[in-house]
This record gives sequence, structure tokens and C-alpha cells, in this order.
Amino acid sequence: NAGVTQTPKFQVLKTGQSMTLQCAQDMNHNSMYWYRQDPGMGLRLIYYSASEGTTDKGEVPNGYNVSRLNKREFSLRLESAAPSQTSVYFCASSELSGGSSSYEQYFGPGTRLTVT
Amino acid sequence: AQSVAQPEDQVNVAEGNPLTVKCTYSVSGNPYLFWYVQYPNRGLQFLLKYITGDNLVKGSYGFEAEFNKSQTSFHLKKPSALVSDSALYFCAVRAGGGNKLTFGTGTQLKVEL
Repeated sequence: NAGVTQTPKFQVLKTGQSMTLQCAQDMNHNSMYWYRQDPGMGLRLIYYSASEGTTDKGEVPNGYNVSRLNKREFSLRLESAAPSQTSVYFCASSELSGGSSSYEQYFGPGTRLTVT
Repeated sequence: AQSVAQPEDQVNVAEGNPLTVKCTYSVSGNPYLFWYVQYPNRGLQFLLKYITGDNLVKGSYGFEAEFNKSQTSFHLKKPSALVSDSALYFCAVRAGGGNKLTFGTGTQLKVEL
């Protein structure tokens, strides 16, 4: 089991460029999440998908879009990157409620994005 | 809305000494509480959780946490710290419906020889 995988690991963009961050999980989880991590801010939820076919905004959705491609994959798109989007991005997944591992989220290794 | 506070940005402790990393929370209803650890350039790893039952929860790597409802706290503890415990620790809370978690800002633990 690879768990949660993310690509790319590192990326440098110029202001205004677009890119898509990819995330996949092999744990058959229903729920998936995108967070950004900034110094002193902890983790902030950008978007999440409670189950295949649904997506919802989190705390900081502006400037981002997501696609839940299937049960395994959840991508995050920056349409026009800005320096304020320089951050480390984490994808996570979890089961729906119920079961012994309810609510625990499993994280990918992260994507370090710099926007110049 | 739920919130989590980690009042210390950094905790320093000598190897072999007990360690405590503090967390307080604010939720409506019963909280589900979590601790995660992040090593440099890695994703977060789950350590332990409190859902219901015994207020003392044991987790991975010898860590434990005590749920205190009256003080709305969920402090992370370990009886004897190791240098390898040095990392960034996050407290998180789930409240209400759904699976979303709210994370604290993190506490950097530094264990020195």
C-alpha cells in the first residue's frame, strides 16, 4: 500500500501560470481533502470531498478549484497562481464515519509550491 | 465553530525527561480530538485520538494524551523524551457532522541531549 501519493513534490511557478496538483489514495477511502500549510498558521482546509461526486469549500478556497476524478483521485488546480499561494500543499483521505478508524486522516508527503 | 489552541510555539525538553505539549479546544457538543506529528519535509502522521471512553488515551511511539472535559484540554504527554521525538506536533478537533478536522497552529518540540 502506497497510502496517499502526491505529485509533483516541488514546483516553481511564475505569477499568472496555472497548474494542477495530483493526489491519489489506495485505501478505498471515501473522503479526501486539500490543505495548505504556512508557518504559524497550521493547516488550513482548502477544499474537501466527502464522497465521490461531491466537493465543498473549506476555510481558504479562493484561487483554487478541485476535481474528484474518481474514488481514488482528487486534484487541486490553481488557475492563475499568485505569490500568496506559495505554500506547502497536503492531500489527505479518511473513511466516512463509522468503523474503528473513523475520522483519522491520512496524509500525503506534500507539494512545495513557490510562486514568483 | 470549533477551534483549537496550542499556546506554545516551541517546547524544549532534555532527553529522558517527561514532556507535555498543550492543547485546548472549543466546540459545541462532544469533541473528537486528535494528535498528529510532522517530521521535517514529511506529511502528518496520526499519533492518537479520543472519541469516547477512558480519558487517558495511549498512542504510537509511547505517547499518551489526557482528555479533560472541565478544562477543555487534550494535552500530549510522554514519560521519557527521546531526541528522535523532536518534530512539529498538531492537535486537531472534529465536532458536529462530517469528517472535517480543525487543526491548531502546531508546537515545535525540541528534545536535547
